[in-house]
Amino acid sequence: AQSVTQLGSHVSVSEGALVLLRCNYSSSVPPYLFWYVQYPNQGLQLLLKYTTGATLVKGINGFEAEFKKSETSFHLTKPSAHMSDAAEYFCAVSMNTGFQKLVFGTGTRLLVSP
Amino acid sequence: ETGVTQSPTHLIKTRGQQVTLRCSSQSGHNTVSWYQQALGQGPQFIFQYYREEENGRGNFPPRFSGLQFPNYSSELNVNALELDDSALYLCASSFASGGPNTEAFFGQGTRLTVV
Repeated sequence: AQSVTQLGSHVSVSEGALVLLRCNYSSSVPPYLFWYVQYPNQGLQLLLKYTTGATLVKGINGFEAEFKKSETSFHLTKPSAHMSDAAEYFCAVSMNTGFQKLVFGTGTRLLVSP
Repeated sequence: ETGVTQSPTHLIKTRGQQVTLRCSSQSGHNTVSWYQQALGQGPQFIFQYYREEENGRGNFPPRFSGLQFPNYSSELNVNALELDDSALYLCASSFASGGPNTEAFFGQGTRLTVV
């Protein structure tokens, strides 16, 4: 069975600081990996995904993530936080065959202070 | 191009009642998935519909059922509501067979409260 662990339910950074949100997964086969963002009272928006190929993936709003198979990790980073980045972030995995069933972590709330 | 829309946005039901939630897919999308997001948790997969047939199901009891219509809109029905069914229900639509690397577009969700 697949599972996702997001370390830290809350992460606080200052505006302009580096953002690092951690995600580790457990899967019997290399999965597809996703990061979603959820703003208050809204649905989920895809930030980026890794399927195959280059392990450093760039997404929207300046975010990127690196797939490290040896560490079973897919951490999300952004060099410089903006106030508008404050939201809930979810890491998710999906098997690389069959239909898409996303397995989500419990989420990390990013707080950005001026 | 319209996005994924869900109705209603909020709903309060009494334990034991039945509820129907609705979802209109993004234009051109033929696959719909439903997720339950309890407070403070990540979304959990309920089931997926492709071309009006259930394409996969998560670990939810049979009182959670769904439909997909010829226009690819969808309904989630929950019978015999329990207090633990209180959650945000998210609908996601995607194109083609909903393969595992397909981008799913999420609606804003329906907040269901069972009292």
